[in-house]
Amino acid sequence: QSALTQPASVSGSPGQSITISCTGTSSDVGNYNLVSWYQQHPGKAPKLMIYEDSKRPSGVSNRFSGSKSGNTASLTISGLQAEDEADYFCCSYAGFSTFWVFGGGTKLAVL
Amino acid sequence: QVQLVQSGAEVKKPGASVKVSCKASGYTFSGYYMHWVRQAPGQGLEWMGRINPNSGGTDYAQKFQGRVTMTRDASISTAYMELSRLGSDDTAVYYCARSSGSSPPDYWGQGTLVTVSS
Repeated sequence: QSALTQPASVSGSPGQSITISCTGTSSDVGNYNLVSWYQQHPGKAPKLMIYEDSKRPSGVSNRFSGSKSGNTASLTISGLQAEDEADYFCCSYAGFSTFWVFGGGTKLAVL
Repeated sequence: QVQLVQSGAEVKKPGASVKVSCKASGYTFSGYYMHWVRQAPGQGLEWMGRINPNSGGTDYAQKFQGRVTMTRDASISTAYMELSRLGSDDTAVYYCARSSGSSPPDYWGQGTLVTVSS
């Protein structure tokens, strides 16, 4: 049982936009501006796509954006491309003693 | 460029211990925390803990307290994670990943598969 709740799967067609939600609590997602999102292709290490709720690391496409409202964070991917097909994990700081918690992951299918 | 290169796959028997290494290059090793995160087959990511390579100070997830030990050898820019009393549910890919201060992990190692089987 993961600490953060994500939908198991989402899908979209090339060119469309999709949004993946990540629901936590007032002890993690809702208490810190420290939600991050990772993309993971099969057999590969996770890649940081969003940090501090909505910031993009250098080199990450601006088709990826993050937002948050209360205890729920969201990752939006616009202009879907075939290479976006991957698993996506959210992560949040949860304070001293728990530190970092992850979501269970969402499989994105680009149909 | 930043690189984290981990040791190879391991097969262990239940009750044994495993030690995974993570060699860093391309940045100042002592300037970034090193985290350990694992992923069981077909499952999500699970944070295990982190080490401050500068001081050697560690923070462990409660679940792994008493069973995990994270160390480092700054002279060779390498971090280690040792997990003891292995059970079948410890079968997973173990990743090292660095972070700066309160930031989440950014660069990750390639992962090390640990299989626990009798």
